[in-house]
Amino acid sequence: QQPVQSPQAVILREGEDAVINCSSSKALYSVHWYRQKHGEAPIFLMILLKGGEQKGHDKISASFNEKKQQSSLYLTASQLSYSGTYFCGTVHYGGSQGNLIFGKGTKLSVKP
Amino acid sequence: DSGVTQTPKHLITATGQRVTLRCSPRSGDLSVYWYQQSLDQGLQFLIQYYNGEERAKGNILERFSAQQFPDLHSELNLSSLELGDSALYFCASSVGLSGAGNEQFFGPGTRLTVL
Repeated sequence: QQPVQSPQAVILREGEDAVINCSSSKALYSVHWYRQKHGEAPIFLMILLKGGEQKGHDKISASFNEKKQQSSLYLTASQLSYSGTYFCGTVHYGGSQGNLIFGKGTKLSVKP
Repeated sequence: DSGVTQTPKHLITATGQRVTLRCSPRSGDLSVYWYQQSLDQGLQFLIQYYNGEERAKGNILERFSAQQFPDLHSELNLSSLELGDSALYFCASSVGLSGAGNEQFFGPGTRLTVL
């Protein structure tokens, strides 16, 4: 039931792009993305809902393929501040639809 | 600052002891979630309360319990502590359910060390 994230880790130079993927074996109601810096609280980035609705930061883009039960987070022109661990959280059909199940995370390091 | 407060920030205790972690959600948020994050691990969902009632349960041990009070603050009780319970415990809140498109706001966490 836990979503699978890939890659597990990625190293970028400033200005480079990255894609982080999240896939589930169960039908998804929504996908949520968070970023966490070491020792800090996760912060909200984006929500993608079935039907195409999105909510989140203007500078973040993501996609949600309901049929494939996958979501991707696109980080373009990366900055040093993008470094951290990115988690996707999923809400599945048939559950309480109240809580998120988080993936194991993708560690992103942006170097100067 | 997310508006979610957690106390205490750090807690050091011994095996076999019992501790209580406290969380105050953002003003207006009805839903409270508890997560456990062990060293370099992901966020393990423990339990969720919505407007005072238990809504969903995750991988929460029987030694752990939680409740949400009428003023919507929540407490997580951990008993018969073991070394493996050492972790960062996060509380999060949202105005409604995550499935309805409501984002969760995380508190700063309580770092529990069991010696």
